Amino acid sequence: QKEVEQDPGPLSVPEGAIVSLNCTYSNSAFQYFMWYRQYSRKGPELLMYTYSSGNKEDGRFTAQVDKSSKYISLFIRDSQPSDSATYLCAMSQVGAGSYQLTFGKGTKLSVIP
Amino acid sequence: DSGVTQTPKHLITATGQRVTLRCSPRSGDLSVYWYQQSLDQGLQFLIQYYNGEERAKGNILERFSAQQFPDLHSELNLSSLELGDSALYFCASSVVPGRGQETQYFGPGTRLLVL
Repeated sequence: QKEVEQDPGPLSVPEGAIVSLNCTYSNSAFQYFMWYRQYSRKGPELLMYTYSSGNKEDGRFTAQVDKSSKYISLFIRDSQPSDSATYLCAMSQVGAGSYQLTFGKGTKLSVIP
Repeated sequence: DSGVTQTPKHLITATGQRVTLRCSPRSGDLSVYWYQQSLDQGLQFLIQYYNGEERAKGNILERFSAQQFPDLHSELNLSSLELGDSALYFCASSVVPGRGQETQYFGPGTRLLVL
């Protein structure tokens, strides 16, 4: 079993739809949870950062973490064609001062105008 | 633009060869992480340096090595290259680890093709 599981999609939605992306994980030591967005041939860009369980909202984006279920989600409201990208969940635990990230494989999202 | 720079952008080489990838972190960031991204494995952590010293190791092959210099730039050396080493290599820099929230900012990557 991989440490982080993420459905690779692809996911195709019409403009304006609500998008739900999620990951499950097996390592209960993970404490920090992130979502990165990666456009084709570009480096990952940090979207959301959450520590432990709970919700966090930033504009059209909402991140949720449920540590009891080992499940994290990213919601995108009023999706735009510019949101078309691959979304990567990532998580880390603190160990000897390293915050190395463990990534899901990413979900490819297409928002159709 | 994340502020992290990587050179070269593209690299094409042959099996058995050795290459060096370079990364300059954001101004003030002491920590550099290297990741490899391939189609089948996704993004995987290779190695981390903090202020010139190795801090953590991930799934890094023995044929690969890295170092961080006094000016904080880092180099990833890949030797005895194999076809399977073809991938995108990213570096990321971060604020000082251990001070609460730490976020990693990724460079644009180096695309390596081994023929």
